[in-house]
Amino acid sequence: GQQVMQIPQYQHVQEGEDFTTYCNSSTTLSNIQWYKQRPGGHPVFLIQLVKSGEVKKQKRLTFQFGEAKKNSSLHITATQTTDVGTYFCAGPRDNAGNMLTFGGGTRLMVKP
Amino acid sequence: SQTIHQWPATLVQPVGSPLSLECTVEGTSNPNLYWYRQAAGRGLQLLFYSVGIGQISSEVPQNLSASRPQDRQFILSSKKLLLSDSGFYLCAWSVARVGGRGVADTQYFGPGTRLTVL
Repeated sequence: GQQVMQIPQYQHVQEGEDFTTYCNSSTTLSNIQWYKQRPGGHPVFLIQLVKSGEVKKQKRLTFQFGEAKKNSSLHITATQTTDVGTYFCAGPRDNAGNMLTFGGGTRLMVKP
Repeated sequence: SQTIHQWPATLVQPVGSPLSLECTVEGTSNPNLYWYRQAAGRGLQLLFYSVGIGQISSEVPQNLSASRPQDRQFILSSKKLLLSDSGFYLCAWSVARVGGRGVADTQYFGPGTRLTVL
């Protein structure tokens, strides 16, 4: 079945440093979504990418969808302590788009 | 606007006891509903999903069951809890798609129930 892998599993950064997490799928994805889960909280939707090569920005966060639509990345510029949490990517699991396959997540820790 | 509720927020249960977790959604009709489990520091494991009342699909064999007695109510149950059932249980909803082109819709998660089985 479809697998979505994320690396790294953990990342410690000093506040102000950049951070990137990568998401790779075993199959071509029609779209990819990113979620953030704060410690003790629930996953919250960040963004969806649909087009090949698409790049979207949300303030210091840059999301990219690969040309082959099999990989994606999330880059945070100049991390802040508020960026702490686990970032998940997710791709559609069925043709109807009713289910998602989540990556294992990347846990970001920021030292002030 | 849509909201999703889960209760209880935390629960400590002895091994062998029953379980009932409830999830309700407001502000939308005929949503897809999902139950996920998250072990400490781990990813999201899909347990059940439902595309309509009484329609439940199970993803993994286990001693848990789910029911959808009403359109916007999703219940996770167990007759006898195991130690391995401990975890963070998340309910989520999404817009139901019919004849979709594979572009998955956003899932909106509830606040979760933290279950500890002792």
